[in-house]
Amino acid sequence: QQQVRQSPQSLTVWEGETAILNCSYENSAFDYFPWYQQFPGEGPALLISILSVSDKKEDGRFTIFFNKREKKLSLHIADSQPGDSATYFCAASAWGGGYKVVFGSGTRLLVSP
Amino acid sequence: EAAVTQSPRNKVAVTGGKVTLSCNQTNNHNNMYWYRQDTGHGLRLIHYSYGAGSTEKGDIPDGYKASRPSQENFSLILELATPSQTSVYFCASGEQANSDYTFGSGTRLLVI
Repeated sequence: QQQVRQSPQSLTVWEGETAILNCSYENSAFDYFPWYQQFPGEGPALLISILSVSDKKEDGRFTIFFNKREKKLSLHIADSQPGDSATYFCAASAWGGGYKVVFGSGTRLLVSP
Repeated sequence: EAAVTQSPRNKVAVTGGKVTLSCNQTNNHNNMYWYRQDTGHGLRLIHYSYGAGSTEKGDIPDGYKASRPSQENFSLILELATPSQTSVYFCASGEQANSDYTFGSGTRLLVI
């Protein structure tokens, strides 16, 4: 059972465009949503995260939009750069609830110059 | 600098052989995790630990054992390796069960 779903599986954008990566979840108890970035040959690394009490979180060119009612969130990467080419994992957990982090299957982003 | 270090970086094993993947963390985190990553499946949890001496089954534990002899070290053991266990394995540590994780750089395992 896939509790966290990501789409698309892969995405190609031109340099300077905004890349939009989508994520949805099933468990209403989830209230913490980190996004991890993984470059080839490396382990995933925390990029940005959001708590369900917020509907938006910004960190430079990276923004998470969160819709609790629809159980959906998205990661927007503004002014995409070739260095942003990586796999992005959406994850979910219940902060303070003892749940393990559940990962989506990832979106592979390619930014073409 | 706090880190998660995995060894070996690459491993070739024969079918039926025993394989041990090692992980060391300097974050002083209580929780440690072993994942495998395969195309189309993302990160799948094999085993995890809440502290020294404890191991718990994750979502895909069959064919794997784990050992947590100390706060810093967490090993993944394949007693009888099979080609289906060819994958990239990641170790991670976290302060709590649902906190942010620090991942190692991975071990690429090929079972022939």
